[in-house]
Amino acid sequence: GAVVSQHPSRVICKSGTSVKIECRSLDFQATTMFWYRQFPKKSLMLMATSNEGSKATYEQGVEKDKFLINHASLTLSTLTVTSAHPEDSSFYICSARDQYQAFFGQGTRLTVV
Amino acid sequence: AQSVTQLDSHVSVSEGTPVLLRCNYSSSYSPSLFWYVQHPNKGLQLLLKYTSAATLVKGINGFEAEFKKSETSFHLTKPSAHMSDAAEYFCVVTPNTGTASKLTFGTGTRLQVTL
Repeated sequence: GAVVSQHPSRVICKSGTSVKIECRSLDFQATTMFWYRQFPKKSLMLMATSNEGSKATYEQGVEKDKFLINHASLTLSTLTVTSAHPEDSSFYICSARDQYQAFFGQGTRLTVV
Repeated sequence: AQSVTQLDSHVSVSEGTPVLLRCNYSSSYSPSLFWYVQHPNKGLQLLLKYTSAATLVKGINGFEAEFKKSETSFHLTKPSAHMSDAAEYFCVVTPNTGTASKLTFGTGTRLQVTL
């Protein structure tokens, strides 16, 4: 079964509201999780690296105040898209690694209307 | 530094014919290499991985890939395509240095399988 669970799989929200996406590692403890964004027919773009118990590390060009990441436990990281706008509509995917491979969540399709 | 290049953005094959998806990489470290498959609006599923053991790697669903250091390549192959193989495929490289190391994705190859 899946070892990284992401929720929700789809969300539609109104412009200006905030949306929280959860990513859980089910079978192992993940001190580090990764958040990606995928545009239509494009590859995955790393947004940030989520570190348990400390601040996330954001990639260049990613607004940390827009995309809030919290990694409060060894099995849960959350991404909150704040004051969402239509241009934030995208497919967001989380990932966590054990020593052998990376596991990916099922992804969240965010649509901001 | 590391990077990965998928040489074809789109590949179309007939069902029952061989599949070849090409990937070249560069890495400052001894890399780990992966192939992932993504079906529409889904997460990524690991097909196979190379982590400095055998250079010919067998994965799920009949896929395999060969790590060729001299050519810096990690091409994905399958002897006979099936309709269910139609999806997006990503070649991924990472330094072989632990759970916090970043993955670098190729731009993806869309595989189309026709009757």
